[in-house]
Amino acid sequence: AQSVTQPDARVTVSEGASLQLRCKYSYSGTPYLFWYVQYPRQGLQLLLKYYSGDPVVQGVNGFEAEFSKSNSSFHLRKASVHWSDSAVYFCALSARDYAQGLTFGLGTRVSVFP
Amino acid sequence: GGIITQTPKFLIGQEGQKLTLKCQQNFNHDTMYWYRQDSGKGLRLIYYSITENDLQKGDLSEGYDASREKKSSFSLTVTSAQKNEMAVFLCASSPRLDTEVFFGKGTRLTVV
Repeated sequence: AQSVTQPDARVTVSEGASLQLRCKYSYSGTPYLFWYVQYPRQGLQLLLKYYSGDPVVQGVNGFEAEFSKSNSSFHLRKASVHWSDSAVYFCALSARDYAQGLTFGLGTRVSVFP
Repeated sequence: GGIITQTPKFLIGQEGQKLTLKCQQNFNHDTMYWYRQDSGKGLRLIYYSITENDLQKGDLSEGYDASREKKSSFSLTVTSAQKNEMAVFLCASSPRLDTEVFFGKGTRLTVV
């Protein structure tokens, strides 16, 4: 069975500072990996995805993530956050032999203060 | 691009009531999903459907029914609402089971 762990439930960061959100996964094969963002009273929106190739993938709004097979990780980064980046971020995995679609982590709530 | 429309946005029901949530997508995606989102518990899959008239149970299907009579629509029924239940129900769709999923804005359920 596969799983996704986001070890930080909440992260607080100052505007203009860098941000890293951690995501660890458990899966015997090579997964497809995703980061989603959820703003208040909204559904989830895709930030970026990794299928194969370059382990560093670029997403929207200056976000990027790095896949590491050896560490079973897919950490999300942003060089300089804005107050509008305050949201909940979900890491998700697609295990190609799993018939129920994506497996999601519990999310990390990010609060950006001026 | 496309959009997923969920109705209603807010739903208040009474204990024991049968409640129906509706979802429409214009992506022309084959696969559709219903997730329940509770604070601190992430997203839990209730039902999914890989094509019209197909229904598959997720981990949280007990207490729910679903219907996929058209490719573009997927409805969810809470068969007997539980008192003090509060959750957000998210509808989603994707081209296949292993690709990215697109979400609607959710239906917020409150049971009094």
